[in-house]
Amino acid sequence: GAVVSQHPSWVICKSGTSVKIECRSLDFQATTMFWYRQFPKQSLMLMATSNEGSKATYEQGVEKDKFLINHASLTLSTLTVTSAHPEDSSFYICSARDSHNYHISGARSYNEQFFGPGTRLTVL
Amino acid sequence: ELKVEQNPLFLSMQEGKNYTIYCNYSTTSDRLYWYRQDPGKSLESLFVLLSNGAVKQEGRLMASLDTKARLSTLHITAAVHDLSATYFCAVSNEKLTFGTGTRLTIIP
Repeated sequence: GAVVSQHPSWVICKSGTSVKIECRSLDFQATTMFWYRQFPKQSLMLMATSNEGSKATYEQGVEKDKFLINHASLTLSTLTVTSAHPEDSSFYICSARDSHNYHISGARSYNEQFFGPGTRLTVL
Repeated sequence: ELKVEQNPLFLSMQEGKNYTIYCNYSTTSDRLYWYRQDPGKSLESLFVLLSNGAVKQEGRLMASLDTKARLSTLHITAAVHDLSATYFCAVSNEKLTFGTGTRLTIIP
């Protein structure tokens, strides 16, 4: 259980084009999904939090007009990189939080984020 | 702003040796995760630590949490080559903030 998929796995595009990346929770409903970006040899940086049926919340420094996020259903969020440029080349990873399934450990409960396999974007 | 730092950033060690990776964070949080990342891959969840003093072990890896010191450790016992990867800690306050990562290389 708790599988998250991303499509495509990798994409190469020309500068100036737009690229759409899909993130799907396959066996659970996710009211919240997260989009991360990871440059080579660096850590993951949160770009935005995607909430089903409402606007995404972007982290400071992330251009909302460049990185369009849509979360139209409980199992799908999309990230569109508009007018991509070489500096947008990166590894994009989504995660989904199973909002209805809290894990219990001792007296504490939490709902974990489950990560997708990532999408490698190369902009020429 | 929550900051999460790991030490060391790079670690090269021989098989069979023990070592510890440290994760310090700057503000109160009582939920900490450890992940493994292989080259070109996404994250694999290793541990979630929920309370002060929590200790979890899986195989040759053991993680602990001291919320008062804002410190978590990932201890590697008798390292084997298969453990070579990058390890991240992440602290949760509604959203995850990742540490800088520790690139671990196990030398035969």
